[in-house]
Amino acid sequence: RKEVEQDPGPFNVPEGATVAFNCTYSNSASQSFFWYRQDCRKEPKLLMSVYSSGNEDGRFTAQLNRASQYISLLIRDSKLSDSATYLCVVNMRDSSYKLIFGSGTRLLVRP
Amino acid sequence: DADVTQTPRNRITKTGKRIMLECSQTKGHDRMYWYRQDPGLGLRLIYYSFDVKDINKGEISDGYSVSRQAQAKFSLSLESAIPNQTALYFCATSDSYAGTSGAKQFFGPGTRLTVL
Repeated sequence: RKEVEQDPGPFNVPEGATVAFNCTYSNSASQSFFWYRQDCRKEPKLLMSVYSSGNEDGRFTAQLNRASQYISLLIRDSKLSDSATYLCVVNMRDSSYKLIFGSGTRLLVRP
Repeated sequence: DADVTQTPRNRITKTGKRIMLECSQTKGHDRMYWYRQDPGLGLRLIYYSFDVKDINKGEISDGYSVSRQAQAKFSLSLESAIPNQTALYFCATSDSYAGTSGAKQFFGPGTRLTVL
């Protein structure tokens, strides 16, 4: 079983739609959680951290459920520019600061 | 200018050749990482370094070696390249002095390596 699992998609949605991605992680010792965005053939870029109480950044909302070991990302009012692959990332509860990456969920926003 | 740079950006080589990929950063971060990315597999950690004197193997270090020449430079070498090392390689940095934000990593633009 992968340590971080995501639905690969693609999610194909019209502009203006609301779309949600889920991610599950297997190690209960996971400490920090992030969503990264990766455009085709480009480097991953940090989209947002995920906090226990849930957090919002503009059109993006991230939620964490430690009991069920899953993380979600909600995108409201999708834009064409949101088309990308979204990577779920967890960090273990140790001093290594190693990140474990999911293989990503691809989002396509159509006009 | 980019905070994390990688050279070369693209490289095609032949089986058995020695290849070096270089990474430089101007972020002042102490920690540096090398990953490879293959379709459908996500990013996998090859090596990481917490400072100039600290080098650690990641989950897929076989066939690779690294050198941390300075805080700002971290090189990845393939001593004898083989076709299954064809992948997209990323360097990343993080700041251990950033407290709980220290887990965040910042990536270079990547090197696309093809081994024929």
